[in-house]
Amino acid sequence: GQQVMQIPQYQHVQEGEDFTTYCNSSTTLSNIQWYKQRPGGHPVFLIQLVKSGEVKKQKRLTFQFGEAKKNSSLHITATQTTDVGTYFCAGVNSGGSNYKLTFGKGTLLTVNP
Amino acid sequence: GAVVSQHPSRVICKSGTSVKIECRSLDFQATTMFWYRQFPKQSLMLMATSNEGSKATYEQGVEKDKFLINHASLTLSTLTVTSAHPEDSSFYICSVQPGLGNTGELFFGEGSRLTVL
Repeated sequence: GQQVMQIPQYQHVQEGEDFTTYCNSSTTLSNIQWYKQRPGGHPVFLIQLVKSGEVKKQKRLTFQFGEAKKNSSLHITATQTTDVGTYFCAGVNSGGSNYKLTFGKGTLLTVNP
Repeated sequence: GAVVSQHPSRVICKSGTSVKIECRSLDFQATTMFWYRQFPKQSLMLMATSNEGSKATYEQGVEKDKFLINHASLTLSTLTVTSAHPEDSSFYICSVQPGLGNTGELFFGEGSRLTVL
């Protein structure tokens, strides 16, 4: 079945440093979504990428979808303590008849003030 | 967007008892709801898709008789963990997907943390 791998599992940074998490799929994706889960909270949708090579920005967050639609990344510039949480990517398999999201294991980001 | 409410947020029960978790879609009529399970510091694993008025679709490896799902109305789905054991302790989260043809983002409930003693 479809597998979505995400690295790193953990990342600790000093406030102001940049952060990147990477997501790779074993199969071509129809689209990919990113979610953020604060400690003790529930996942909250950040963005969806659909097009090959797509790049989207949300303030200090930059999301990319690879040309082959098998990988994606989330980059945060100048992290702040409010960025703390686990970031999950979730992919939908291309060509499947059942629209099902497969989540990566997530990257836990901690920020030292 | 969609607002999803889950109840209870936390529950502690004795081994062998059954626990019911409710998931309500407050502003969206959901023909489909998704139930996920999350172990500490791990990813979200889809357990089943509940379908309003019909049987739920379970993922491979998820016991139907263990995790009973009922989706009796367009705004309410319930997950009952039957004869709970300590290994069932987990964070259970439901979600809806309001997009056309079940596409687009998921809106999650607050989650229910189950602890089985």
